[in-house]
Parts: sequence; C-alpha cells; structure tokens
Amino acid sequence: NAGVTQTPKFRVLKTGQSMTLLCAQDMNHEYMYWYRQDPGMGLRLIHYSVGEGTTAKGEVPDGYNVSRLKKQNFLLGLESAAPSQTSVYFCASSSGLAVLNEQFFGPGTRLTVL
Amino acid sequence: GQQLNQSPQSMFIQEGEDVSMNCTSSSIFNTWLWYKQEPGEGPVLLIALYKAGELTSNGRLTAQFGITRKDSFLNISASIPSDVGIYFCAGRGLSGNTPLVFGKGTRLSVIA
Repeated sequence: NAGVTQTPKFRVLKTGQSMTLLCAQDMNHEYMYWYRQDPGMGLRLIHYSVGEGTTAKGEVPDGYNVSRLKKQNFLLGLESAAPSQTSVYFCASSSGLAVLNEQFFGPGTRLTVL
Repeated sequence: GQQLNQSPQSMFIQEGEDVSMNCTSSSIFNTWLWYKQEPGEGPVLLIALYKAGELTSNGRLTAQFGITRKDSFLNISASIPSDVGIYFCAGRGLSGNTPLVFGKGTRLSVIA
C-alpha cells in the first residue's frame, strides 16, 4: 500500500495563477483532510471531507476550494493564488472522525506564491 | 473554537538527556494524540490516549492523558540524534464528530 500520496511535491506560482493539488489514498478511508503548515503555526485545517461527494470547511478555508468526486481522491484548488498561500500543504485520511481513528498523513506539497 | 497550547516551542538538548513537553486545552478533550514530523515528511502518529489518567509507552516515549482531561504530556527518555523533529499534540473534544485540533508543535534538536 502506498498510503497517502500527494502531487506535486513542489510548485512555484505567480500571484493570480490557479492550481490544483491532488491527494490520493489507497486505504479505503472515508475521511480526508487538507492542512497547511506555516512556521510557528502548526497544522491548520483548511477543508475536510467525511465521504465521497461531501466537503466541509475547516479553520482556514478562505481562498481554497475542494472536491471529493471519488472516495480515494481529495483535490485542493487555489483559484487565484496569493503570496499568503505560500505554505506546505498536507493531506491526511482516516477511517472515521471518532475515537480510535488515526489520521495518516501524506508527504506534503511545498507551494511558493511569488 | 478549541485551542491547544503546546510548550515549549523549541528545545535544544544533549544526547542522552530526557525530554518533556506538554499540551493544554481550553476545554475537555476525550482523545489525545502525539505525532512526530521529521524534515520533509508528514506527521506520523507516536502515541494515542483515550482515557483520563492513561499512561502509554512506545519504546523510549511515554505519554499521559491528564486527569483533568485538559492536558497531556510526552516524555522522551535517553534522547538520541534521530529524535530530532517537530512533535505535535492533537486532540478531539467531547462532541466526537469534529476533526482533530493540533498544537503548534515543539521543535526538538539533539546535540550529539
């Protein structure tokens, strides 16, 4: 099993450009999450999904959109990138929200917006 | 929303020393988790705690779920260079159907 994979690993964008980050998991997990990690800020939840076709806002959703068309994939979109979105983005998945459901993380995508 | 305060923010220790870090919340949690993140990688779960007062070990790591249910501690004994990384606490409140809340992390450096 590959676990949670993310593409791309690195990306540089100009302000105003758009892009999509792809997260894929092969563990048949229902729940998937997108976080951003900034120095001194820890992990902040952007959006999450409790199942195929459903999404919900996290702590810092502004400027991002997500889609969960297939259970194994969770896409994070930036329609018009801003320098404030320079960050490392992590995807995670779990079999559920409840107790005992460990979140597995991907290796991260480092995004720089110029 | 729920907040987690994790301390210290960073630590520099000599190889062989013991390490202690803690996390406190503004509200009661029913789950505490401790993750480690190595450079260039995503966080990996170290220890999970599900009951107040629970003390769980994973090798040289020991974590405790505080009896007030508002705090948790992680101890690392006899540190080694590969302990270097960022340690995150995470927790979930009583409602159960909410995503994990993460602390801001403790960056650990081990001097050989």
